[in-house]
Parts: sequence; C-alpha cells; structure tokens
Amino acid sequence: AQSVTQLGSHVSVSEGALVLLRCNYSSSVPPYLFWYVQYPNQGLQLLLKYTSAATLVKGINGFEAEFKKSETSFHLTKPSAHMSDAAEYFCAVSDGQGAQKLVFGQGTRLTINP
Amino acid sequence: KAGVTQTPRYLIKTRGQQVTLSCSPISGHRSVSWYQQTPGQGLQFLFEYFSETQRNKGNFPGRFSGRQFSNSRSEMNVSTLELGDSALYLCASSLDSYQPQHFGDGTRLSIL
Repeated sequence: AQSVTQLGSHVSVSEGALVLLRCNYSSSVPPYLFWYVQYPNQGLQLLLKYTSAATLVKGINGFEAEFKKSETSFHLTKPSAHMSDAAEYFCAVSDGQGAQKLVFGQGTRLTINP
Repeated sequence: KAGVTQTPRYLIKTRGQQVTLSCSPISGHRSVSWYQQTPGQGLQFLFEYFSETQRNKGNFPGRFSGRQFSNSRSEMNVSTLELGDSALYLCASSLDSYQPQHFGDGTRLSIL
C-alpha cells in the first residue's frame, strides 16, 4: 500500500516569502500525485496534479510542484506567499490503478505572517 | 457548473443510531468516493463507486456502507454509531478513473 509523508505539520512564513511544503511518497512506480488545499469549514480544493506528463507541474494560485523520482518527492512551492494562502495543505497519492482511492498525508498547516 | 453537493452539512446523532449522508456529484461525473476526516487519523478513504458498483473499499468496518444510484448520486450509511465516528465526511467525484477528484464541503457528523 502507498504511504505519504508530509514533513512539518506547521509551516510559518512571512508574506512575500517563499513557500515550501514537503511531501514524500512510498512507491517506486510513479503514481498519480496531488496537492489539495483546505480552508476552514470547507472541503478540499485541487491545487495541482502529477500524471507523468511533466515533472514540473503548475497549479492554481501560483503554486507549482516538482516530481523527483530519485527522491520519491513531490514538494509544493510558491515564490511569494500571500495572506490568502493560509490554509491546510494535503499531499495525496493514488493507491492502485487510476486516480481514485487516495492516500493522504497528515497535512501541513501554513500560516502567513504579515 | 455546480460542484459536489453534500447534505446535510451538519448532523448530530447519539450512539447506537444510524445515519445516511447524501452526495450529488458534478454533472457528468460517474465516480464517487467517500473519505472520513478526523483530527487523529486524518483523511481516510472509505469507498468508491462507479456506475452503481463499488470498485474500491478502504479499511473500515461493515457498519460503513454506501451505494450509488443510476444518476450517479451516492449515499453513505453508518449503522450503530460510535463516538469515534464523529468526523467530517467528504464526498468526491471525478469524470472517470483517471481524472482528479473534486470534493464537496462535507458533512460534519457529531455523535453524542
């Protein structure tokens, strides 16, 4: 079974600073990988997805992630943090064929300091 | 295009009761999945339905069940509720097996 590790349950950055949220997955075979964001009292919103087409994936709201097979990593970055980026971020990997049955990391709460 | 709609948004039940949660997927989406989110266990996959058939199942007891109707709408049922079933239950839909899932805002279930 797949597993996902998100390093750091809380990350705090200043507005305008680089955002880096770390995610490592367990599979040796490139799976489907996703980053989702969750705002309070809401469901999950898809930020971006990796489906083997390109190793650098661009998502919404200025976020991007780089797939590194050698490091089994899929870290999420944003060059300049905005106050509205404060939320919880989840990395997920598909477990099995297709993009369903997601296994999620424990989440990283991102705080933006003014 | 309307998103995934889950009803009700909030629900309070007592131990031993049963509950049914409803999910209307995005129009045209045939796959519906359910997840449980708790502070302790995080997000856990419950099951996935596609064209009225359960295709994938997570590691939850048989008290958790679901079904999908011909219009792709799905329901999830939990019987003999326990305190530990208190959680946010999220429904997600996708066009097919290889497209990303889109989530609803969830049903927050509280067990007293």
